[in-house]
Amino acid sequence: KAGVTQTPRYLIKTRGQQVTLSCSPISGHRSVSWYQQTPGQGLQFLFEYFSETQRNKGNFPGRFSGRQFSNSRSEMNVSTLELGDSALYLCASSFSGGATGELFFGEGSRLTVL
Amino acid sequence: DQQVKQNSPSLSVQEGRISILNCDYTNSMFDYFLWYKKYPAEGPTFLISISSIKDKNEDGRFTVFLNKSAKHLSLHIVPSQPGDSAVYFCAARMDSSYKLIFGSGTRLLVRP
Repeated sequence: KAGVTQTPRYLIKTRGQQVTLSCSPISGHRSVSWYQQTPGQGLQFLFEYFSETQRNKGNFPGRFSGRQFSNSRSEMNVSTLELGDSALYLCASSFSGGATGELFFGEGSRLTVL
Repeated sequence: DQQVKQNSPSLSVQEGRISILNCDYTNSMFDYFLWYKKYPAEGPTFLISISSIKDKNEDGRFTVFLNKSAKHLSLHIVPSQPGDSAVYFCAARMDSSYKLIFGSGTRLLVRP
């Protein structure tokens, strides 16, 4: 069974640009969550989608947005990039959001903003 | 406001000994607690979880203990192996919130 696939794995952008990251969940999983990991901050919740609907959103500015497609694939977008947006962005999937909280993570997309 | 805290950024133990990783939380509404392990350049992988109605859960070398009155949980690894060297994240879930709140992680080094 293929795992969670994130693309691209690495990317470099400059301030003011925008970026789109993609996530393909495990087959059959309908919930996709996004997390931001920065050094010393752990993983910060961005948002969660289920059946194309955003069910929960973290405390991030409106520059961070996402969507989910009918095949459960998800994208997140960050507009007007700032230096502080440099981070590892992790996507996680589960069948229904995780009855016991268990999520399956991808390897992440490492974004560097110069 | 950090609701899940891992106060030890790093821990070093000898191979074969016990590793104890600690986690504190502030919100009594959390209903599930989980531990994830993360190797460099990989995503976190689920290790073990515990429901708030239990005080212990065991899976092979890994045992998680939950002390609700102290709002504290710990992960015990016995015996520790060099392959256990990784960053361990504690996470908590609030009922039906569809999100996990993570601690900042503890880097475990198991010395051969």
